[in-house]
Amino acid sequence: SQKIEQNSEALNIQEGKTATLTCNYTNYSPAYLQWYRQDPGRGPVFLLLIRENEKEKRKERLKVTFDTTLKQSLFHITASQPADSATYLCALGDYGQNFVFGPGTRLSVLP
Amino acid sequence: NAGVTQTPKFQVLKTGQSMTLQCAQDMNHEYMSWYRQDPGMGLRLIHYSVGAGITDQGEVPNGYNVSRSTTEDFPLRLLSAAPSQTSVYFCASSPPGSQEQYFGPGTRLTVT
Repeated sequence: SQKIEQNSEALNIQEGKTATLTCNYTNYSPAYLQWYRQDPGRGPVFLLLIRENEKEKRKERLKVTFDTTLKQSLFHITASQPADSATYLCALGDYGQNFVFGPGTRLSVLP
Repeated sequence: NAGVTQTPKFQVLKTGQSMTLQCAQDMNHEYMSWYRQDPGMGLRLIHYSVGAGITDQGEVPNGYNVSRSTTEDFPLRLLSAAPSQTSVYFCASSPPGSQEQYFGPGTRLTVT
């Protein structure tokens, strides 16, 4: 069955450093991969989408890589700030609009 | 635009009771979906709809019904609540041709 893992359940990092979150998957051939941010008590918010034929995508301080051979995506937040503290979810999609979500990684950026 | 709205925000039910979780969007999105979120398990798809009059099952549909009579509304019905349905429920929508999902604020449901 399809399985998505996101590195650790929680990640602590010092302000100003680069946070790197990992999303690994098995038994799946996604057409694209998305990253969402979720704050406590709120719904997820879309951040970035990367397609299977793309290696890297950037948006401001965010960078996503997608390696379909390793079946892995890395999500980087550079110059991290306490306001970046949240849970980050990866989601894999096929050519339709249905998604499979990972369990999330809770990031804490310490001042 | 209000985006995706959900009511109620919190609900407590007794085992066997039924209820409807409401979801509405004002963005004219064709695709709408319902997820449940449980600790350590991520979001799991319950039901989805690609347009008015069309619904289909997701990964965990048992115990839930949906209907889509209008583009705007996509209610989720619990027919006979069970403690295993204690969860946070999210509704989401996507515009045509896009994979970006817009989520509502969620409904926290407890079944005792």
